[in-house]
Amino acid sequence: DAKTTQPTSMDCAEGRAANLPCNHSTISGNEYVYWYRQIHSQGPQYIIHGLKNNETNEMASLIITEDRKSSTLILPHATLRDTAVYYCIVRATLGGAQKLVFGQGTRLTINP
Amino acid sequence: SAVISQKPSRDICQRGTSLTIQCQVDSQVTMMFWYRQQPGQSLTLIATANQGSEATYESGFVIDKFPISRPNLTFSTLTVSNMSPEDSSIYLCSVWRGYGYTFGSGTRLTVV
Repeated sequence: DAKTTQPTSMDCAEGRAANLPCNHSTISGNEYVYWYRQIHSQGPQYIIHGLKNNETNEMASLIITEDRKSSTLILPHATLRDTAVYYCIVRATLGGAQKLVFGQGTRLTINP
Repeated sequence: SAVISQKPSRDICQRGTSLTIQCQVDSQVTMMFWYRQQPGQSLTLIATANQGSEATYESGFVIDKFPISRPNLTFSTLTVSNMSPEDSSIYLCSVWRGYGYTFGSGTRLTVV
């Protein structure tokens, strides 16, 4: 699976949009971009995934560049409960036979 | 998404003893994944448990230390054997749920 690079930490004001970048310059054509987050002392939570088109769900939006070498997770109106470590992961296929490999992620702190 | 129950949620154990962690899923799944998260670190995959066959271990993890059982499609156990303080971690199980992985809430293990 392709390696990802994320900033170690970020801060965002409550109510503002949080934009979390991820570089995955070696991504292959069949690899998806997944985002998970881990709130303190809990198991990771799925947020969103995409292949090449931008995606939006009730939690976030995922913007993938045209060359697919980077992406941005957007939390449109961050709340204090969005404080967590966010992991960007790329992996092939949508199937469940492949493992997830976690990097160090971005520690996002939402400030009041 | 799947409901995963992990037991125990936390434990404090004496070095040299063993602890078995249980993971129960509310529906049948082919593969279950066991992760370890050491203090302040990201998640590391220990092994993949496929029903009806031996678990597949990642580099650095061995069956004698982390034996896994997978007796049916909804249940798995991970045993941490002959524990040392270095085994103090959060242990999580995970399953694929059609669009992403769902994680249990984890077992926080402290070895004294």
